[in-house]
Amino acid sequence: DQQVKQNSPSLSVQEGRISILNCDYTNSMFDYFLWYKKYPAEGPTFLISISSIKDKNEDGRFTVFLNKSAKHLSLHIVPSQPGDSAVYFCAASAGGGTSYGKLTFGQGTILTVHP
Amino acid sequence: KAGVTQTPRYLIKTRGQQVTLSCSPISGHRSVSWYQQTPGQGLQFLFEYFSETQRNKGNFPGRFSGRQFSNSRSEMNVSTLELGDSALYLCASSLGTVYGELFFGEGSRLTVL
Repeated sequence: DQQVKQNSPSLSVQEGRISILNCDYTNSMFDYFLWYKKYPAEGPTFLISISSIKDKNEDGRFTVFLNKSAKHLSLHIVPSQPGDSAVYFCAASAGGGTSYGKLTFGQGTILTVHP
Repeated sequence: KAGVTQTPRYLIKTRGQQVTLSCSPISGHRSVSWYQQTPGQGLQFLFEYFSETQRNKGNFPGRFSGRQFSNSRSEMNVSTLELGDSALYLCASSLGTVYGELFFGEGSRLTVL
């Protein structure tokens, strides 16, 4: 049972354009969402997060949108840069309290930004 | 400040052996979580330790175990290794008391032959 799904295994965009990465979830208990970027042979690096009480969070070139009714979130990168090429993981957490360190990850989307 | 440190970075074992992986969290972080990354299953949660107590456990067999010491450093152990245990094992640390990012180490790459 995959509770967090990233249906696009890969995405290719041109430098300077917008990259949109999508993520769907099924568990209604998820109330905190994060995006991570990962390069080969490295650990994931945190990008941006959003609480379920918000529908948008921005940090520089990165914006995350949350649609709770659709159980969908997306990460927008504008403008995209070649250095953004990596695997992007969507992750979710549920329940707070004793669950702060437990994340459920999607399968990842490989983003390639062409110069 | 220093990041999350995992040792060893690479190791090769044979089936039936056991392995111990170590993780030193960021100073001040009391939560250490472990994840397994494989090509087929992605990143899967193994367990989380907070103040020396296991707080959460993922859906892995009892061959996978861990512990946390009073200085928050953590170890995970896999006994009776199987070929399918070949994976990147990632450790992440966090404050553990509020929602926030988890800081990941570079991982320990385990190959089981």
